[in-house]
Amino acid sequence: GENVEQHPSTLSVQEGDSAVIKCTYSDSASNYFPWYKQELGKRPQLIIDIRSNVGEKKDQRIAVTLNKTAKHFSLHITETQPEDSAVYFCAASIETGGSYIPTFGRGTSLIVHP
Amino acid sequence: DTAVSQTPKYLVTQMGNDKSIKCEQNLGHDTMYWYKQDSKKFLKIMFSYNNKELIINETVPNRFSPKSPDKAHLNLHINSLELGDSAVYFCASSQGSGTYYEQYFGPGTRLTVT
Repeated sequence: GENVEQHPSTLSVQEGDSAVIKCTYSDSASNYFPWYKQELGKRPQLIIDIRSNVGEKKDQRIAVTLNKTAKHFSLHITETQPEDSAVYFCAASIETGGSYIPTFGRGTSLIVHP
Repeated sequence: DTAVSQTPKYLVTQMGNDKSIKCEQNLGHDTMYWYKQDSKKFLKIMFSYNNKELIINETVPNRFSPKSPDKAHLNLHINSLELGDSAVYFCASSQGSGTYYEQYFGPGTRLTVT
């Protein structure tokens, strides 16, 4: 099955700095890569996603890059703010039975210090 | 309007008991999921149903049995609860049907087994 590795497990930055979270996946059949943000005590919510036919996608301060050859993808957050503090999960998805089933990384706890 | 709802939000019970968690989505999605999030925040898929049909059943003890009475509901029944079952259980749904769609998570059920 798919295996997703995520690094780092904890990331501490100063407000205004950039943050980068990296993930690798093992199954070349994976073709959809969402990122979820989970605030303390809340549910995970999608913040950005990328499909295998795209190399980069940006949404305001958040960007995601995908290197299919190397099987890795990254989340970039610029100008970090304290409200960006949360656990971030990457996922690699494979179509199974008509649905995209994600395998999640173990999460990165991002702490933004004011 | 709540998109994905779960009941109960908190569940405290003793070892050996049987309990159920209910999930309902009003998004008209085809696929529903159950996830377990342990104390280290690892988010692991347990089951996935597409149009009431089981499409994925990860390695979970057979004490866990999902039930999908219709497309909008996916309940989780757990027999003979053990200490290691303590976790937060998230229900989720997605559009499925071979398209790239995000997962909408419920608020989670925190299960504590004493």
